[in-house]
Amino acid sequence: AQRVTQPEKLLSVFKGAPVELKCNYSYSGSPELFWYVQYSRQRLQLLLRHISRESIKGFTADLNKGETSFHLKKPFAQEEDSAMYYCALTGGFKTIFGAGTRLFVKA
Amino acid sequence: NAGVTQTPKFRVLKTGQSMTLLCAQDMNHEYMYWYRQDPGMGLRLIHYSVGEGTTAKGEVPDGYNVSRLKKQNFLLGLESAAPSQTSVYFCASSVTPYEQFFGPGTRLTVL
Repeated sequence: AQRVTQPEKLLSVFKGAPVELKCNYSYSGSPELFWYVQYSRQRLQLLLRHISRESIKGFTADLNKGETSFHLKKPFAQEEDSAMYYCALTGGFKTIFGAGTRLFVKA
Repeated sequence: NAGVTQTPKFRVLKTGQSMTLLCAQDMNHEYMYWYRQDPGMGLRLIHYSVGEGTTAKGEVPDGYNVSRLKKQNFLLGLESAAPSQTSVYFCASSVTPYEQFFGPGTRLTVL
């Protein structure tokens, strides 16, 4: 079955602390993996894509095919990182989203 | 350049009523999608289109119909609304199946 699992509904960290948002997937094939973010009162938008290997707003994500994971990491969280984060998998024409993790960065 | 727009922003329906949600994009994207977002479930794909005149079913298509008569528009129809269709509906479009651009959402309540 094709599935994206984000085990944490809520993650709360202090400003300056490292943050890791977990994502595991199940897919028979070679999917494209993404992280989308939704800030308060803004639209859902693409944060990063595994194939680009970029660091966006200090966030990185490494695709681990052996563990079928695509965890999102940032070494020093900022208050403006507080948002809803969705891990997503695209295979063929369809995209499957995880249930999302709400990140709250405390001052 | 408005990107992806959705009409209406809010709507309240009674059970059994019908309505159409309109999604429009001005980026000349081939691919368009309709999702619903429910608490604790993320976004689930209802229907999608890979080009003008084409539509296909997603994860949760039952109770919905779609049409893509023009490249820039993707309509989502509810023929007989049910309370289970209370949700926030998002439209998205993309050049390829990958980076999707989302609309602001439509909050629908079915009483």
